[in-house]
Amino acid sequence: RKEVEQDPGPFNVPEGATVAFNCTYSNSASQSFFWYRQDCRKEPKLLMSVYSSGNEDGRFTAQLNRASQYISLLIRDSKLSDSATYLCVVNGPDSWGKLQFGAGTQVVVTP
Amino acid sequence: DTAVSQTPKYLVTQMGNDKSIKCEQNLGHDTMYWYKQDSKKFLKIMFSYNNKELIINETVPNRFSPKSPDKAHLNLHINSLELGDSAVYFCASSQDLAGFTDTQYFGPGTRLTVL
Repeated sequence: RKEVEQDPGPFNVPEGATVAFNCTYSNSASQSFFWYRQDCRKEPKLLMSVYSSGNEDGRFTAQLNRASQYISLLIRDSKLSDSATYLCVVNGPDSWGKLQFGAGTQVVVTP
Repeated sequence: DTAVSQTPKYLVTQMGNDKSIKCEQNLGHDTMYWYKQDSKKFLKIMFSYNNKELIINETVPNRFSPKSPDKAHLNLHINSLELGDSAVYFCASSQDLAGFTDTQYFGPGTRLTVL
């Protein structure tokens, strides 16, 4: 079983709509959670960290469910520029900077 | 002003050759990493250095040898290249080793194609 699993998509979203997707992780002792964004043929960039109580950053909302071992990302009022692959990233208790990446969920925002 | 830079951006070479990829960061970070992203898009850590000291060494063939001449540079040398080495190699850096909250900043990647 993979450490971090994501629905690869693509999620085709009309501009202005809301899209949400999850990621599951296998290590119940994982401590840190992040969403990174990767544009086509570019490097990953941190989108946001995910906190236990959930957190928002503008149109982006991240949630953590430790009991069910998943994190979620919701994008409101989608923009064309939100088209990208969103990588779920987990950092475990025995790792020193050893991030575990999911394969990503592709989001395509259409006009 | 690029924070993490890698050279070359593209590398096409024959099986059996030896090649190097260079990485430099100007963020003043103590920790640098090499990741491999294969055709299935999984990013996997290969190595991590903290202040020039090897900290993480995942199960990587010993044909891959990282070298950190100083904490701003982390190079990757690959001997006897194989077809399966074709991938995008990303360098990254973070402020320190803890990694629990530190953002990792990635370089633009080196797309290696082995023919």
